[in-house]
Amino acid sequence: GENVEQHPSTLSVQEGDSAVIKCTYSDSASNYFPWYKQELGKGPQLIIDIRSNVGEKKDQRIAVTLNKTAKHFSLHITETQPEDSAVYFCAASLPGGYQKVTFGTGTKLQVIP
Amino acid sequence: EAGVTQFPSHSVIEKGQTVTLRCDPISGHDNLYWYRRVMGKEIKFLLHFVKESKQDESGMPNNRFLAERTGGTYSTLKVQPAELEDSGVYFCASSPRVYEQYFGPGTRLTVT
Repeated sequence: GENVEQHPSTLSVQEGDSAVIKCTYSDSASNYFPWYKQELGKGPQLIIDIRSNVGEKKDQRIAVTLNKTAKHFSLHITETQPEDSAVYFCAASLPGGYQKVTFGTGTKLQVIP
Repeated sequence: EAGVTQFPSHSVIEKGQTVTLRCDPISGHDNLYWYRRVMGKEIKFLLHFVKESKQDESGMPNNRFLAERTGGTYSTLKVQPAELEDSGVYFCASSPRVYEQYFGPGTRLTVT
């Protein structure tokens, strides 16, 4: 089955700096890569996703890049703000009729004001 | 539109007891998923319903776990009898189609 590794497990940045979270996946057939943000006391919320036919996607201050050859994908947050502090999960999904998602272990991001 | 809701938010039970978790998906979402996160590890897939049918239950740990989805609406996940290693946060998610899963806030289960 699919295996997703995520680094780092914790990340502290100063407000205004950028944050980068990296993930690798094992199954080259995976074709959908969502990123989730989990705030305290809440469930994971989808913040951005990318499909395997696209190398980069951007939405305001967040962007995701995908390197299919290396089986790497990354989340980039620019101009970080205190409200960006949360646990971030990357995930990968194999093609098929239904979406069974394999998650990474999570990155706890702390943005220091 | 109401989001995915889960009940209870927190449950503390003793080893050997039974616990039932409930998930109410977003209205109209045929797909319902259960996940579990144990001790800061990854969020692991447990099973997937399409309406009332189990589409994929490959992630269910063992036969102490039983999931149902009555009438294709809400779903329950029963653990009987509970063991210490069952402690964790159980998430439910629903989606109207492939992709776009919406997660509930989770139920934190503590087995002592």
